[in-house]
Amino acid sequence: GNSVTQMEGPVTLSEEAFLTINCTYTATGYPSLFWYVQYPGEGLQLLLKATKADDKGSNKGFEATYRKETTSFHLEKGSVQVSDSAVYFCALFSRDNYGQNFVFGPGTRLSVLP
Amino acid sequence: DGGITQSPKYLFRKEGQNVTLSCEQNLNHDAMYWYRQDPGQGLRLIYYSQIVNDFQKGDIAEGYSVSREKKESFPLTVTSAQKNPTAFYLCASNSGTGRGMNTEAFFGQGTRLTVV
Repeated sequence: GNSVTQMEGPVTLSEEAFLTINCTYTATGYPSLFWYVQYPGEGLQLLLKATKADDKGSNKGFEATYRKETTSFHLEKGSVQVSDSAVYFCALFSRDNYGQNFVFGPGTRLSVLP
Repeated sequence: DGGITQSPKYLFRKEGQNVTLSCEQNLNHDAMYWYRQDPGQGLRLIYYSQIVNDFQKGDIAEGYSVSREKKESFPLTVTSAQKNPTAFYLCASNSGTGRGMNTEAFFGQGTRLTVV
């Protein structure tokens, strides 16, 4: 079945440091890939997405590139801020003969220190 | 503004009681989903529905029930058969059609259920 693997957290960085959160996936067909962010006590918000190979999603300084050859969608940001502290989820959406569904990774908690 | 609304934000249940969590969307989305999130954990799929009057069990459906009588609404009932219902519940929807574009899920703000 489809699956998403994320690097284990928590990740603690100083303000202005470079961020990478690794995400790899297993899927049949051509899934769409997403990064979601969750702030404490809230639902998930879409951060960025990519719908086909070599697409780059970007938003608020975050970027991720859909790499079909390595089945990866790593999240990066060049300079993190304290306000980026949250939990980040990598996810895929796919459709096949059995239906459609999202598959989420376990989440990576990021703490940015001033 | 279009969006997805969950209510209530906080819910307390006595043991042995059934409770129903509301989820409403005005995005004209065909598909809706319910997830459970435990502290420090990821999301686990409870039920999903791709179309009105149809729904499928997810990975942890035992002790839960749903209905999809209207496109806009997908309520979740946590029954007394659910032995450990204290958790954060998230509802989501997406267009569910086609491949690629506009398949992202939109999430509600969640309902935190506590058994007292």
